[in-house]
Amino acid sequence: NAGVTQTPKFRVLKTGQSMTLLCAQDMNHEYMYWYRQDPGMGLRLIHYSVGEGTTAKGEVPDGYNVSRLKKQNFLLGLESAAPSQTSVYFCASSYMGANEKLFFGSGTQLSVL
Amino acid sequence: GEDVEQSLFLSVREGDSSVINCTYTDSSSTYLYWYKQEPGAGLQLLTYIFSNMDMKQDQRLTVLLNKKDKHLSLRIADTQTGDSAIYFCAEVYSSASKIIFGSGTRLSIRP
Repeated sequence: NAGVTQTPKFRVLKTGQSMTLLCAQDMNHEYMYWYRQDPGMGLRLIHYSVGEGTTAKGEVPDGYNVSRLKKQNFLLGLESAAPSQTSVYFCASSYMGANEKLFFGSGTQLSVL
Repeated sequence: GEDVEQSLFLSVREGDSSVINCTYTDSSSTYLYWYKQEPGAGLQLLTYIFSNMDMKQDQRLTVLLNKKDKHLSLRIADTQTGDSAIYFCAEVYSSASKIIFGSGTRLSIRP
């Protein structure tokens, strides 16, 4: 069982560069989420999706874009990376929403210099 | 506003009980969760409690919910070295399709 897979696991960017983080789940889940984890601040929701073709903003959406073109994939884009976006990014999914168990990927460590 | 608060650190002696506390804000939350994060890994669901319950016990874990004070606690009995991790409290907002996490409590075990 692959579950939730994130790629890449590590990335270093220079300020102003762009990149896309990929999240893939093989559990046929409707809901997918992107979180960032910073020391002392826990997990903060960036964007989420309640189904294929839908996206919605979370707590800290600025500087990020997302797409859910296929049900199994949820992409997080940084168009112009900033040092403030240095963080660990986690993708999660659930079958039918927030009232259910979230399955998390193993995270992407992103450093922006 | 939406806020879930936890203390950042807890240190206990091996074999003792650990109690991790959390306060939340949304009185209409239907579920409250405890997630565990081990080093270098994503979060995994540890246990949960429905908002209409006061207590839930699952082997070494006991969850207590005080709805009046919006206070949630996780007790780990006979704490072992394998319990070293960050523990996150989370509440589900009934008005939105999202979960709000606390800042996490890092539990360390002393020999």
